[in-house]
Amino acid sequence: DGGITQSPKYLFRKEGQNVTLSCEQNLNHDAMYWYRQDPGQGLRLIYYSQIVNDFQKGDIAEGYSVSREKKESFPLTVTSAQKNPTAFYLCASSPGDAYGYTFGSGTRLTVV
Amino acid sequence: GENVEQHPSTLSVQEGDSAVIKCTYSDSASNYFPWYKQELGKGPQLIIDIRSNVGEKKDQRIAVTLNKTAKHFSLHITETQPEDSAVYFCAANTGGFKTIFGAGTRLFVKA
Repeated sequence: DGGITQSPKYLFRKEGQNVTLSCEQNLNHDAMYWYRQDPGQGLRLIYYSQIVNDFQKGDIAEGYSVSREKKESFPLTVTSAQKNPTAFYLCASSPGDAYGYTFGSGTRLTVV
Repeated sequence: GENVEQHPSTLSVQEGDSAVIKCTYSDSASNYFPWYKQELGKGPQLIIDIRSNVGEKKDQRIAVTLNKTAKHFSLHITETQPEDSAVYFCAANTGGFKTIFGAGTRLFVKA
């Protein structure tokens, strides 16, 4: 079955640590996205990529970094510069602009 | 930039009743309006969408209406069932791979 796989499902980060969230899709979608979800605030865009080897900052990119070396993969690194990283992180993909997204099942990151 | 407001934040209905969730958007250039359903602990799932050249779209018990003049769009769920209980998000796309989401509506369907 085609879809998006996010791993791990739960992740714990110590202060000062960088952590990387994995996102893999087998839908052959060109575009991929990372969103952050906090309670009562909907989804906020962190980064997006329209095509391999290209990505753009979203509304809340500070403290995050991404790469898009393969069409199928779009990992997100939460750096130590992100002061409030505890959140639910969602990866999504779409065939192009102005199409519905297919979301992964999310990664819940907690700072300990 | 685009702003999407969604109401109500919480909605409780009796099984079999209808549920309506309303959203307004600010950017008249928005041209694509998807709706997502999110169950607890899962990622959102696209349930229906509408483009700016269409006024209404139906899919079984779900329908979406769009009023471009007033810049608002609504989700209608008829004959609600307990499995409809979830958080629903509206969204608006203005092009350039930017989709702005509403804050979400938590729907409770009481059996």
